[in-house]
Amino acid sequence: AQSVTQPDIHITVSEGASLELRCNYSYGATPYLFWYVQSPGQGLQLLLKYFSGDTLVQGIKGFEAEFKRSQSSFNLRKPSVHWSDAAEYFCAVISGGYNKLIFGAGTRLAVHP
Amino acid sequence: SAVISQKPSRDICQRGTSLTIQCQVDSQVTMMFWYRQQPGQSLTLIATANQGSEATYESGFVIDKFPISRPNLTFSTLTVSNMSPEDSSIYLCSVGTAGANVLTFGAGSRLTVL
Repeated sequence: AQSVTQPDIHITVSEGASLELRCNYSYGATPYLFWYVQSPGQGLQLLLKYFSGDTLVQGIKGFEAEFKRSQSSFNLRKPSVHWSDAAEYFCAVISGGYNKLIFGAGTRLAVHP
Repeated sequence: SAVISQKPSRDICQRGTSLTIQCQVDSQVTMMFWYRQQPGQSLTLIATANQGSEATYESGFVIDKFPISRPNLTFSTLTVSNMSPEDSSIYLCSVGTAGANVLTFGAGSRLTVL
């Protein structure tokens, strides 16, 4: 069965520091991968997605992610974190050809001034 | 992308009662789904809302507890029946279009059961 693992439950970084959130997936075929962000009291917002092609994808708010098939990973990165990036980040994969997302457990990001 | 309105945004309910959550989309969509996010947890798919027919439920979710309607391509409701404190969660509606492979989420309905 498809699954998504986010090994880091909670990460704290200083404002201006770089960020990398890890995501590993288990999926038999070529996966459709996503990163969503959930700010406190808000719904989910799509940051970026990977379907095919260039393995480095750019998203909104200065985020990027790199698909590495050999490592079954889709890690999210940002070169310089802003205080407004404090939120919960979810990695997800589409399951079975339908638009049903399987979510990872999420990583909560705290940003220190 | 589609704009989703969910009502209510939050509610506090008594044990044993039922609450219906509405999801309205500003355009016709192929796919509509309902997710649950329990406190401090990730999102779990409850069911796929099928237009004009019974919803398709995921393992662990049943129609008697979470009846779903979808009368047209822009609207769906989820009812949480006979609520208990364990039902306290955020319930999110999400929509997508066949072939697009991208889901848009509503802001969610935060339900607290006392």
